[in-house]
Amino acid sequence: EVQLVESGGGLVQPGGSLRLSCAASGFTFSSYNLHWVRQAPGKGLEYVSTIVGNGLTTYYADSVKGRFTTSRDNSKNTLYLQMGSLRAEDLAVYYCARVGPSGWYDYWGQGTLVTVSS
Amino acid sequence: EIVLTQSPATLSLSPGERATLSCRASQSVSSYLAWYQQKPGQAPRLLIYDASNRATGIPARFSGSGSGTDFTLSISSLEPEDFAVYYCQQRNNWPRTFGQGTKLEIK
Repeated sequence: EVQLVESGGGLVQPGGSLRLSCAASGFTFSSYNLHWVRQAPGKGLEYVSTIVGNGLTTYYADSVKGRFTTSRDNSKNTLYLQMGSLRAEDLAVYYCARVGPSGWYDYWGQGTLVTVSS
Repeated sequence: EIVLTQSPATLSLSPGERATLSCRASQSVSSYLAWYQQKPGQAPRLLIYDASNRATGIPARFSGSGSGTDFTLSISSLEPEDFAVYYCQQRNNWPRTFGQGTKLEIK
């Protein structure tokens, strides 16, 4: 069974840093591109970042470029999102999502909440 | 960036009725459009991909149509578990973008 489990969310002050993790199981981790998607409370979904299967290429939404870094450890089946220079508008539930054979998000994690507040 | 506009924002229907949700793109996305369902406190779930293909395990009452800039998600006969928020997403252009969502609520 495919599973994605995020962790690492919490309360951080503006300007601070946080690292999210997404532990995967049930599939050949290195064969799949993974994305981060976020959702502010009561709002819609927003694409954040992409990392390809071998980890050599990443893409970022303009809203997080230069502040967030996505990486993966294929030996540990884990995806990471290093978040820096956090702002109030980064407050959201962060989901990791697998890009399936169809090219769309076929599996999602349960999400982890990041709160940015002083 | 492609903007996806969903309508209506809220749709109030009764179980057994037919639901029709719309998603309009600011420019052509070909058939690279998907629909997701999200229930409170849960992650989204893929329903329809490439405009008209049902994802694995999705009931036949869900169907999608359209291409270019205008897309429709139809639910033929609403079940109680179908009341949720529905999002469209495109992947024809980077970055992938989502619509703002349509809330399907019980009338």
